[in-house]
Amino acid sequence: NAGVMQNPRHLVRRRGQEARLRCSPMKGHSHVYWYRQLPEEGLKFMVYLQKENIIDESGMPKERFSAEFPKEGPSILRIQQVVRGDSAAYFCASSPPTVHTEAFFGQGTRLTVV
Amino acid sequence: AQKITQTQPGMFVQEKEAVTLDCTYDTSDPSYGLFWYKQPSSGEMIFLIYQGSYDQQNATEGRYSLNFQKARKSANLVISASQLGDSAMYFCAMRERAQKLVFGQGTRLTINP
Repeated sequence: NAGVMQNPRHLVRRRGQEARLRCSPMKGHSHVYWYRQLPEEGLKFMVYLQKENIIDESGMPKERFSAEFPKEGPSILRIQQVVRGDSAAYFCASSPPTVHTEAFFGQGTRLTVV
Repeated sequence: AQKITQTQPGMFVQEKEAVTLDCTYDTSDPSYGLFWYKQPSSGEMIFLIYQGSYDQQNATEGRYSLNFQKARKSANLVISASQLGDSAMYFCAMRERAQKLVFGQGTRLTINP
């Protein structure tokens, strides 16, 4: 899973600022997932994307959160006007577009809102 | 509706014993994949083992095996000869056709020396 690259690893933002989290999938993977994990909790699905297309965004908050996966470049999870409740670990995973292959995870970005 | 259920929030096991972590799932799709991931205290998500819905045999990867009971919709993880380094959170996950990967709540496993 070392092939999925997330940056930054740690991000500190003041309330009201914007946070941009980046995810470069493994080579050959066209599908990306974003998850949020609060301390001592499981992974909560946020959004599932393929290149230039959002497949499922049912886990995304309706406001302030957006995600994209452009034709070129990494997938971006953007959080506008961050609040303390946004503090969490955000994980990205990538996979080929088949159900019968595992998704590999990045190391995560730990967002702290102060 | 909860798609993946892990009913054991925490488990404590003596070193060298075998341990079974429970996972049940819910789907009407005949094609799906089941996965187990380990998350140590350092935080990364480590893929352990995969079972496909059409696989006839239970998956095995070293000390890990998946007890797949399709009719009961269960996919329990078995760790043989547990080690101190096995202490971690363990997550069961499922992926249906063209769908997102959905995770259970996790089980915290603690191996006692």
